[in-house]
Amino acid sequence: GEDVEQSLFLSVREGDSSVINCTYTDSSSTYLYWYKQEPGAGLQLLTYIFSNMDMKQDQRLTVLLNKKDKHLSLRIADTQTGDSAIYFCAEIPISGGYNKLIFGAGTRLAVHP
Amino acid sequence: ETGVTQTPRHLVMGMTNKKSLKCEQHLGHNAMYWYKQSAKKPLELMFVYSLEERVENNSVPSRFSPECPNSSHLFLHLHTLQPEDSALYLCASSHLRRSPNTGELFFGEGSRLTVL
Repeated sequence: GEDVEQSLFLSVREGDSSVINCTYTDSSSTYLYWYKQEPGAGLQLLTYIFSNMDMKQDQRLTVLLNKKDKHLSLRIADTQTGDSAIYFCAEIPISGGYNKLIFGAGTRLAVHP
Repeated sequence: ETGVTQTPRHLVMGMTNKKSLKCEQHLGHNAMYWYKQSAKKPLELMFVYSLEERVENNSVPSRFSPECPNSSHLFLHLHTLQPEDSALYLCASSHLRRSPNTGELFFGEGSRLTVL
């Protein structure tokens, strides 16, 4: 079956690192994604990782993928108040000719001073 | 501009009303999607249109009726909705899956629907 799970809430202090975790079920997934949703807005792609990679770094963002455990994490270094948002993990199982992304429920990140 | 525009941004309707949500994309994509976002629940994929043909319909009640007249426009027609249908409805678009497509979806800002 297809299922993506993530914790619903994370609170961090400004300047600290944030780690948002996600587990997925479909081992055939080719890409895994992190989307960000700010208040009143749609989802925006933050970063993605191809399934044959273990890690991807992009400025303050580090994505770690453990295919054996089907675990994906997003680390945000030096978290800022502007990082406060909902972060969605998503996978894309191999099926069809379109991008059928399966999303988690989202993790709400609250950054406090 | 996000490239994917949804109207209206907010809609309040009674259970007997008929209304429509509109989505327009200017990105040259040929797949379009409707997702439903409810609080504390995963995004639910409702419908997918690929090359203007509906390719996915995830057991959505018939009170939701999609329409895709061309590759740039997508509608969601609503009639006799229930209060539990209140949610944020997100439209997205993408290229069809072929290398080097990374599978990214481009989302609109959503239409917040309240059913009284």
